[in-house]
Formats: sequence, C-alpha cells, structure tokens
Amino acid sequence: AQTVTQSQPEMSVQEAETVTLSCTYDTSESDYYLFWYKQPPSRQMILVIRQEAYKQQNATENRFSVNFQKAAKSFSLKISDSQLGDAAMYFCAYSRYSGGGADGLTFGKGTHLIIQP
Amino acid sequence: EAQVTQNPRYLITVTGKKLTVTCSQNMNHEYMSWYRQDPGLGLRQIYYSMNVEATDKGDVPEGYKVSRKEKRNFPLILESPSPNQTSLYFCASRSGGRGNQPQHFGDGTRLSIL
Repeated sequence: AQTVTQSQPEMSVQEAETVTLSCTYDTSESDYYLFWYKQPPSRQMILVIRQEAYKQQNATENRFSVNFQKAAKSFSLKISDSQLGDAAMYFCAYSRYSGGGADGLTFGKGTHLIIQP
Repeated sequence: EAQVTQNPRYLITVTGKKLTVTCSQNMNHEYMSWYRQDPGLGLRQIYYSMNVEATDKGDVPEGYKVSRKEKRNFPLILESPSPNQTSLYFCASRSGGRGNQPQHFGDGTRLSIL
C-alpha cells in the first residue's frame, strides 16, 4: 500500500516570503498522480496543484510550484510571496487509481502553515 | 454550479442510533469516495465507488456501509454509531479516466457520537 509522509506538522513564514512544504511518498508504481490540497479554517478542501509522474516538468500554478523528484519519491510545495490568505492546513495526496482497481486518495497527515504579518 | 452536497453539515447523536449522511454530486462523475478526518491523522478513505452498484472498501471501512444505486448519490450509513466514529466526514467525486482528475470535495459533515 502507498504511504504519504509530511514531516512538518507546522510551519511559520513571514508574509511575502517563500516557504517550502515537504512531502515524501512510497509506491511501487511507475505511473501515478500527486496532489496538494489546501484546507483553510472553513474546512473546505481546495485543490492547489497536481503532478503527473510521467511528466518531468514541475507543475506551476501562479505563486505555487512543486519540486517533483521521482527517484527520491519527493513532492514538495513551494509558495512564493506568501499571503495571509495562504494560512491553512496543507495536505499532500497520492492518487490510488490503478486502472480499474482502487480509487481515491491517500493523504499525508498535513502541515499547518502560519503566515506572520 | 458544479458541486458535491453533503447533509447534514453537523449532527450530534447518541451511541447506537442509526444515521445516514447523504452525498450528491451534479457533475455526472463516475467515481465517489468517503473520507474521515481526525486531528493528526489527515484524511483516510472509508469507501469508494467506481460507478453504480460498484463499491469497495478503503482503509477504514469498519462500522460503515455505503450504497450507490444512482450515479449522483453515495450515502454513508452508520448502522450502530459509536463514539470512535466522532469525526469530520468528507464526500468527494471525480470524473472517469486516469487518476489525474482531481477530487471535488463536499463541505464536510461534523459528526459527534455521544
């Protein structure tokens, strides 16, 4: 079974600075998908960014980018120019899809991101 | 508006009293899942469904049942709730195809079992 590990329970950053959230995963698959979700205090689960393992290029969405290292099974999230609205719990997730078998996501335990004004 | 709707949003009930949390999506998605979220544990999958009449267990299925009689609905049933099922529950759906399609989540249901 796949596992996802987020080793930073909490991170704090000054507004406008850059912060990187770590995520590692374990899988024996060669083709898979990874996601970062944001959960603000409202509890909504909001997709931040996704990465397909067969793509070598790191995904980017505005101020959010990933550093995907397939060999190291690492998938970190970089947030540039941090804003107060970025304060939330961030979850790294691995897609369990297996071509007709399992589905859904395996989540890490989350990183609570605090933005200092 | 594309959405996943869960009801109720909050429920306080007692041990042993059967309850159902409904989930409905209006995006014609094939795949649906239920997760529970507990402090320090992240979200864990309870059950998933690949289409009508096709469901299977996730990581923490004990004490739960599901059904998928219609494509849009995927209710979560607690036949005899216990205090250890007190949690925040999320329903999610995604379109078919490969696993790169993101999950769309409902707003969550906070269950308290006394």
